[in-house]
Amino acid sequence: DTGVSQNPRHKITKRGQNVTFRCDPISEHNRLYWYRQTLGQGPEFLTYFQNEAQLEKSRLLSDRFSAERPKGSFSTLEIQRTEQGDSAMYLCASSGEFTTPEAFFGQGTRLTVV
Amino acid sequence: AQKVTQAQTEISVVEKEDVTLDCVYETRDTTYYLFWYKQPPSGELVFLIRRNSFDEQNEISGRYSWNFQKSTSSFNFTITASQVVDSAVYFCAHGGGSNYQLIWGAGTKLIIKP
Repeated sequence: DTGVSQNPRHKITKRGQNVTFRCDPISEHNRLYWYRQTLGQGPEFLTYFQNEAQLEKSRLLSDRFSAERPKGSFSTLEIQRTEQGDSAMYLCASSGEFTTPEAFFGQGTRLTVV
Repeated sequence: AQKVTQAQTEISVVEKEDVTLDCVYETRDTTYYLFWYKQPPSGELVFLIRRNSFDEQNEISGRYSWNFQKSTSSFNFTITASQVVDSAVYFCAHGGGSNYQLIWGAGTKLIIKP
């Protein structure tokens, strides 16, 4: 296993379109996180899965955002009716159990809404 | 609420100088973790170190060392004999609660000049 994988790496979309990103975590990790990062800022938490259960969502996650992790493996993040303010780097991370809580990140998906 | 402050927005030093990156945190958790991540220009967040709140032992790894002091709520990171490849944005983060959601500082951009 080579780490967390995210696809696509870059996405340019027109305002109002829907986009979907995929994250494949490290295989033995049961925790999966989505973060958003804008230029010059630290990442902001969006949502968290433990196995297939979505246990927490940030208030940053409006109704236009939805995330799934159907079989506790890969996860998808969908943004409906994109807005220019959605332009950011979307980061996925995974981590193991209590003894190894550090999160390992993918390379991110950079979204540009034009 | 949990908060992480990295007061140094940008630091610029000449290669081979030692440099310390500051991190101060606020937390209500009795048990928590602190992390440092490196984000090179390629964009991927790279995990450097995790400290548990109950373990204040300082750690050294090659040219990197970390000083964790609960009394001052600080977790500082020192690079000894800096190299150009150390140039990156460095983030300090706090993880706690049941989901280890990370709260991030704003990052310190480190520039190492040859």
